[in-house]
Amino acid sequence: GESVGLHLPTLSVQEGDNSIINCAYSNSASDYFIWYKQESGKGPQFIIDIRSNMDKRQGQRVTVLLNKTVKHLSLQIAATQPGDSAVYFCAETSGGGGSNYKLTFGKGTLLTVNP
Amino acid sequence: GAVVSQHPSRVICKSGTSVKIECRSLDFQATTMFWYRQFPKQSLMLMATSNEGSKATYEQGVEKDKFLINHASLTLSTLTVTSAHPEDSSFYICSVRTAAGEYFGPGTRLTVL
Repeated sequence: GESVGLHLPTLSVQEGDNSIINCAYSNSASDYFIWYKQESGKGPQFIIDIRSNMDKRQGQRVTVLLNKTVKHLSLQIAATQPGDSAVYFCAETSGGGGSNYKLTFGKGTLLTVNP
Repeated sequence: GAVVSQHPSRVICKSGTSVKIECRSLDFQATTMFWYRQFPKQSLMLMATSNEGSKATYEQGVEKDKFLINHASLTLSTLTVTSAHPEDSSFYICSVRTAAGEYFGPGTRLTVL
């Protein structure tokens, strides 16, 4: 079936630097994307989402970029802090973000922030 | 968002026993909840969709007789792992979907000896 994958399984950055986490997806029908943060032993935490009619969306210290041409999604974290250390998952669906979609999760990237 | 709790947070059981995991939506009436399984260092895999007042919908490869789901109210769904075996050891996570997105519980770590 279709899959969502990541270019880098691990990313190590210095505190204060910007982080970029990438995700590639293969389902051309995907139209809703979400980034989640998962700390060790906890459930995923919603960070930001984007629909396919947009190519950029900003939140607090985070920006998601969507390139539908190459089926690529990225999460940018500004001024990365030690508390940002976690595994980050991208998830996608082709259900339009309505009520009946199913999320497909990528493999995850472990972000480590060094003080 | 929605606040979701799970109980227990971790459970250890002997092989062959059954374990019940509760998922509660604390501030949202959820007609639909989702159950995921996550093995160490792996991603989340959807197991089933729990529907209030009706049968759950299971993903391909998930045994419905082994993973019993009951969604008796708008705030509670339960997952029972029947006759658990060591290969069922995993992190089980539920979620609730609202108009604002999908929100996850803290997870339940199941270890089957």
